[in-house]
Amino acid sequence: EAGVAQSPRYKIIEKRQSVAFWCNPISGHATLYWYQQILGQGPKLLIQFQNNGVVDDSQLPKDRFSAERLKGVDSTLKIQPAKLEDSAVYLCASSPVRTVNYGYTFGSGTRLTVV
Amino acid sequence: DAKTTQPNSMESNEEEPVHLPCNHSTISGTDYIHWYRQLPSQGPEYVIHGLTSNVNNRMASLAIAEDRKSSTLILHRATLRDAAVYYCILRGNYGQNFVFGPGTRLSVLP
Repeated sequence: EAGVAQSPRYKIIEKRQSVAFWCNPISGHATLYWYQQILGQGPKLLIQFQNNGVVDDSQLPKDRFSAERLKGVDSTLKIQPAKLEDSAVYLCASSPVRTVNYGYTFGSGTRLTVV
Repeated sequence: DAKTTQPNSMESNEEEPVHLPCNHSTISGTDYIHWYRQLPSQGPEYVIHGLTSNVNNRMASLAIAEDRKSSTLILHRATLRDAAVYYCILRGNYGQNFVFGPGTRLSVLP
């Protein structure tokens, strides 16, 4: 099966600009996650969708980050305006259902550099 | 979420076995032990998971202590491609979200 697709692969922007990332999960996967991974750290969950509804966005900085998953398939994550500390890899993952016997499949991520 | 403790880094020689330890002294009876690894410039990928019994798959083996307070991921014959960050994560039986720590960076020497 095709994996989780993310684009772009790399993005460099100036602070205060806006940026958007796109994710296409594995076909049929109901649950979609966005993680932020700062250099040298493990990934940190930003938001979780179940179909097109938000399940957990407690760690999403809502003053500047937004995410949507229209029609319960593709998802976009937006940052507006970007700060220097947003430089990180943004990972998208999906899973078929939210149970213990199903793990996540991750995409390769988008590396964001804010200058 | 229950926490795990892993060494920051480990080294291994190519074609030798590697034992990656993980301590999880506060594990609850319903927590599963999951291992993921992250190759350079890739997202994490699933390695193995278990509850109480030792588990084997084509990638690795998972040895779980009898009291479940620790576990060990075993790579039977390390290759250069196994150089990655390995994450040990506890996950409850309701499928709670994975919480990643810093993991163990494994270097494999030729």
